[in-house]
Amino acid sequence: SQQGEEDPQALSIQEGENATMNCSYKTSINNLQWYRQNSGRGLVHLILIRSNEREKHSGRLRVTLDTSKKSSSLLITASRAADTASYFCATVYNAGGTSYGKLTFGQGTILTVHP
Amino acid sequence: NAGVMQNPRHLVRRRGQEARLRCSPMKGHSHVYWYRQLPEEGLKFMVYLQKENIIDESGMPKERFSAEFPKEGPSILRIQQVVRGDSAAYFCASSPLYRDRVLTNEKLFFGSGTQLSVL
Repeated sequence: SQQGEEDPQALSIQEGENATMNCSYKTSINNLQWYRQNSGRGLVHLILIRSNEREKHSGRLRVTLDTSKKSSSLLITASRAADTASYFCATVYNAGGTSYGKLTFGQGTILTVHP
Repeated sequence: NAGVMQNPRHLVRRRGQEARLRCSPMKGHSHVYWYRQLPEEGLKFMVYLQKENIIDESGMPKERFSAEFPKEGPSILRIQQVVRGDSAAYFCASSPLYRDRVLTNEKLFFGSGTQLSVL
């Protein structure tokens, strides 16, 4: 399995419902990030959670991190059709010293929100 | 404040030709990363550069691939003698080192990518 695996691979919901995506990883990390990618476009950074944090909020987004289980979840509340995109988690290894943007991405969750 | 600019958006090459992909980071960003995305897959790290320096090229194939980020001008990812397996979307990302005195070079700003197709 790859570092940063998302689950489910695809998620289809109705507008207004909540969407939950999960991510698992293998090694010790410095931080974990979630990105969104619209079809044919680059990735947009959503949220970063550090290894010493357990939960973080940003607007309709809620991210949790469980380092003991090496897993994270992204919750999008009150989803909208515009949330339709692929969502990726990405980890930064804890290699000691200064970390930088060498991210290890999972294969992503394709979220479809129906109007 | 323009975002990360990549060109060309689409690039078609025949096997054996050279591909040059350009990336201009966001204004004020001194760190550039290149990632490759194969169909149906997540992004894979290739190389991390600062101005005139390659910091980490552990994800870049040893042969045919090279990257630079000169003192002036965009970062260039160069693929020599392309093969069909090089067909992918290549994304550039940039980051500042600090923002408001907080180390932020882990958060990346991505360009829209260059889709390379090798015939």
